[in-house]
Amino acid sequence: GAGVSQSPSNKVTEKGKDVELRCDPISGHTALYWYRQSLGQGLEFLIYFQGNSAPDKSGLPSDRFSAERTGGSVSTLTIQRTQQEDSAVYLCASSLWGGTSGRAVRETQYFGPGTRLLVL
Amino acid sequence: AQTVTQSQPEMSVQEAETVTLSCTYDTSESDYYLFWYKQPPSRQMILVIRQEAYKQQNATENRFSVNFQKAAKSFSLKISDSQLGDAAMYFCAYRSLITGTASKLTFGTGTRLQVTL
Repeated sequence: GAGVSQSPSNKVTEKGKDVELRCDPISGHTALYWYRQSLGQGLEFLIYFQGNSAPDKSGLPSDRFSAERTGGSVSTLTIQRTQQEDSAVYLCASSLWGGTSGRAVRETQYFGPGTRLLVL
Repeated sequence: AQTVTQSQPEMSVQEAETVTLSCTYDTSESDYYLFWYKQPPSRQMILVIRQEAYKQQNATENRFSVNFQKAAKSFSLKISDSQLGDAAMYFCAYRSLITGTASKLTFGTGTRLQVTL
């Protein structure tokens, strides 16, 4: 079936502008994750959604970052007033979480191709 | 907090040979998952192999196998019969199973694997 998709693939923006990054998880996956991959910080967890539960926002670096997940499917990561240090690849992942497969299978995260954000 | 260390920034292997990528981690937990992901230039993180800590048997997936040493907190990846398509960045990742923790993956810094003819 279709994997995790993300759009846009690349985004160039000016410092101070807002950007929205979109993630479409694998159909039937109830858990969704955002990560940031940058040269200086490596791969960092940002936020986690599971079903209708309140999201785990513990990895968001500042209040300029927010994310929502509508209808338990598509997610949007919004960065307000972008800064040059926000330049990175933003990766989205999803996992099955529920169902009858073994736990390790259910909790394996499958990643999208990422959005490369460049803030000038 | 858990940490994952990949001490080899770059590795090189000849086609058809075998290479081992190292990963160590630090945790006080007894049950967890470990993963190896591959990231080619396309940026997409691809799952290579998964290991459940309570299982003593090392996981294998075709040409990929792990050497999981729980006491030593070591989780190395062995790639046999290396192919040009194996060239990529390889990340080791840890997943805590403690209830209430974020269901996040903690990643190492990666090892870039070159495959030469």
